[in-house]
Amino acid sequence: QKEVEQNSGPLSVPEGAIASLNCTYSDRGSQSFFWYRQYSGKSPELIMSIYSNGDKEDGRFTAQLNKASQYVSLLIRDSQPSDSATYLCAVKANSGYALNFGKGTSLLVTP
Amino acid sequence: NAGVTQTPKFRILKIGQSMTLQCTQDMNHNYMYWYRQDPGMGLKLIYYSVGAGITDKGEVPNGYNVSRSTTEDFPLRLELAAPSQTSVYFCASNVDRSGPEAFFGQGTRLTVV
Repeated sequence: QKEVEQNSGPLSVPEGAIASLNCTYSDRGSQSFFWYRQYSGKSPELIMSIYSNGDKEDGRFTAQLNKASQYVSLLIRDSQPSDSATYLCAVKANSGYALNFGKGTSLLVTP
Repeated sequence: NAGVTQTPKFRILKIGQSMTLQCTQDMNHNYMYWYRQDPGMGLKLIYYSVGAGITDKGEVPNGYNVSRSTTEDFPLRLELAAPSQTSVYFCASNVDRSGPEAFFGQGTRLTVV
């Protein structure tokens, strides 16, 4: 069974702080890594993609990938109450057709 | 450009009833997917399709069937509904195999009683 693990949270951070969300995966054949944001009662929304080791920045979001440690993370700088949502980590193997999702981490940004 | 459209948004079924969840996309994507999401859980793949006439099982296919007669449509059929099928169902599409499922429908919240 190929696993994608995330802490369920909730992770609570004050407004303006950095939120750090973590994800580990078991399949060493994984090649593509994604973060989705899901507001309560809504569908997942793709916010970051990362394919190679290192950091990738997009606005207030930074994705970090370490394939040797099988670890991917998402940093949200200057967190805002509107960032409060569940963040889903998703992984795709090079041989795969579909994503393997973690259970998600609930983030609460308090004013 | 509507993206991925799912109908219905909500449905209550009685045990043993059947229904079809509809999914349509207007982006000419070959790859389409059905996921289910139980409370506090991630998404689990039910079925996927890589093009018209081609479908395959995902992680949790039991109790479901799919068909893909056109590029646009990918309906999910529930036969003999059971309480374990109470969930939120998402349809998604992708432009190619390597990228993410970037386009999700609004979801169908199904309750089986």
